[in-house]
Amino acid sequence: EAGVVQSPRYKIIEKKQPVAFWCNPISGHNTLYWYLQNLGQGPELLIRYENEEAVDDSQLPKDRFSAERLKGVDSTLKIQPAELGDSAVYLCASSLSLGGTQYFGPGTRLLVL
Amino acid sequence: GIQVEQSPPDLILQEGANSTLRCNFSDSVNNLQWFHQNPWGQLINLFYIPSGTKQNGRLSATTVATERYSLLYISSSQTTDSGVYFCASNGGNYKLTFGKGTLLTVNP
Repeated sequence: EAGVVQSPRYKIIEKKQPVAFWCNPISGHNTLYWYLQNLGQGPELLIRYENEEAVDDSQLPKDRFSAERLKGVDSTLKIQPAELGDSAVYLCASSLSLGGTQYFGPGTRLLVL
Repeated sequence: GIQVEQSPPDLILQEGANSTLRCNFSDSVNNLQWFHQNPWGQLINLFYIPSGTKQNGRLSATTVATERYSLLYISSSQTTDSGVYFCASNGGNYKLTFGKGTLLTVNP
């Protein structure tokens, strides 16, 4: 069974540029999560989807961050414009159902210069 | 929201030694997971254990939900066990909150 797939694995951009991350969850997993992990910290939830519906986006900085999961499968997280403080690892996870075991992708390491 | 505290923050072992990592959480939980983040950043699910005891090879975990803590046991540690171990739990809103992790270094 394929795991959670994320791309790109690494991204370097200049500040004020846009950037997008893509995630394909494990097949059949209805719940998808985007997390932010800063160096030396545990992941922090940005947004959670149940199928195509964003049901918890309270931690998403909506002035510059946006996300979508149009067909309830893969998802895209976008930052526009990026700031220096956005440098971090962006992790995607999925679970079969709400409250179930979460499986993580390899993450996208973003560096904003 | 729920608070998750892990101890110790750092741990250095010689290969073959045993260790116990602790996770305290501030409220009743529906979900308690232990993860290992390897040096390449991949988070690997070790246990889903909201209560009780589970074992998987050299690793085992116990969660005492009534006392709001969980323990991860690593026996006969190997260098490949090195990395950061995270505990994560949630309350009724299903938002998974991570602790700050325990950085484990196993020396040959």
